[in-house]
Amino acid sequence: GAVVSQHPSRVICKSGTSVKIECRSLDFQATTMFWYRQFPKKSLMLMATSNEGSKATYEQGVEKDKFLINHASLTLSTLTVTSAHPEDSSFYICSAADRVTEAFFGQGTRLTVV
Amino acid sequence: GQNIDQPTEMTATEGAIVQINCTYQTSGFNGLFWYQQHAGEAPTFLSYNVLDGLEEKGRFSSFLSRSKGYSYLLLKELQMKDSASYLCAVSDSNYQLIWGAGTKLIIKP
Repeated sequence: GAVVSQHPSRVICKSGTSVKIECRSLDFQATTMFWYRQFPKKSLMLMATSNEGSKATYEQGVEKDKFLINHASLTLSTLTVTSAHPEDSSFYICSAADRVTEAFFGQGTRLTVV
Repeated sequence: GQNIDQPTEMTATEGAIVQINCTYQTSGFNGLFWYQQHAGEAPTFLSYNVLDGLEEKGRFSSFLSRSKGYSYLLLKELQMKDSASYLCAVSDSNYQLIWGAGTKLIIKP
C-alpha cells in the first residue's frame, strides 16, 4: 500500500519555541493532506485540510496562527506549532489522500512541551 | 449534526469471533472506513465500504448497510495482537472524514 512518512516521531521542546512536523507521501502524489490531533483516550480531531498550492482550511476552534500548515508540493506538507505551550502536548497525525477512496496515515508525532 | 456511534469497549477471547458495530448519521456519504490503532501509534487502514454488503479481507470483514446507517467490523480467529482500538470513520459529502470515538478491544487468553 501507499506509504506516508511523518517526521519526527517524537519531539520534546521548550515552552515558547516552535516545532515543525513533516508529512511526506513517498510513492504517490497527495493532492490533499489532513492534519489530526489526538488527545489521550479520545478520537482523532481534524485540525485542518490542505490542498497542494492553496491555503489550508482550518476546523473551527483551531488557531491558524498557532498551527501553520504548508502544502508546497504534492508530496510534502508541514505543520508548525508556533510558540508551543504545555497544553499543545499531544499526538499529531497526518494523512494523505491520492483519491477519495483511501487515506493513508503517517506514523504520528508525539509532541511534549516542557 | 453529524454523529458516529460505536461501543467504547469490548472484551473477547483469543481464538473467538467479535463484531464491532458502528452507526452513523452524516450529511452525505462517500464511504465508511475502519482503522485499527494500537496505543501510541497512528491508525492503520483496515477496510473501506461504499456499497452495501460484506467485504472480506483475511480474518477481517466489514459490512455496510447504507439504508440503516450501519456498519460492522468482524474479526475472526482473534489473536492477542488484535488488542487495539478500532475506529469507524465516514466520508461525508465533502469527502471529509467524520470519526467515531473508537472501540477498545481487549483480548483475553
